[in-house]
Amino acid sequence: QLQLQESGPGLVRPSQTLSLTCTVSGGSIKSDDYFWIWLRQPPGRGLEWVGYIFSSGVTYYNPSLKSRLNISVGSSKKFFSLELASVTAADTAVYFCARGTMLTHDFDYWGRGTLVTVSS
Amino acid sequence: FILTQPHSVSESPGKTVTISCTGSGGNIVSNYVQWYRQRPGSAPTTIIYENYQRPSGVPARFSGSIDSSSNSASLTVSGLETEDEADYYCQSYDDFNHVVFGGGTKLTIL
Repeated sequence: QLQLQESGPGLVRPSQTLSLTCTVSGGSIKSDDYFWIWLRQPPGRGLEWVGYIFSSGVTYYNPSLKSRLNISVGSSKKFFSLELASVTAADTAVYFCARGTMLTHDFDYWGRGTLVTVSS
Repeated sequence: FILTQPHSVSESPGKTVTISCTGSGGNIVSNYVQWYRQRPGSAPTTIIYENYQRPSGVPARFSGSIDSSSNSASLTVSGLETEDEADYYCQSYDDFNHVVFGGGTKLTIL
């Protein structure tokens, strides 16, 4: 059974870089049939996609975050990471990682999510 | 491409409710639509994928459809149960492979 688990600091200072890792167990980031996505949900609000990556390293970023965003896959193909620079309070959210299917773009496995608060 | 959902819907147990997801700035039939259910404090889970397919374990009370004439997708839940109370999101993508979510609909069981 595939499982995803987010990890990283729960508190980030304004103007600093938010860094999260999603560890994949029960499988790996190798197949071109899937992509690996970060999503977020501000408190009390809806879902927003952040960006996603294929095992080849090809990325797609939300245009509203693109200038501050970097998503990468670990060399072991067992985790992928998110870096979001110059954060503000507007970046406070629960961040989820998930697996997406190439054909339909649906997200079939999700992590439980991790709350990241941007505050001084 | 934008997906618009009603902010909230409510219905009594045993009844049927339909949640709409209307596309603008693009053709909703061009790409698959998914529906997710999210309970408080939990990650979303797929209840409909590829417009109308149900993952294993999702009861037949849940059904999805696409209406090209209104450029919309719909999620219908019949035989409502109290456990169906949750937030529901439609999701698709645009011609640039950018993911698109509807704003979410809060389903309240009266």
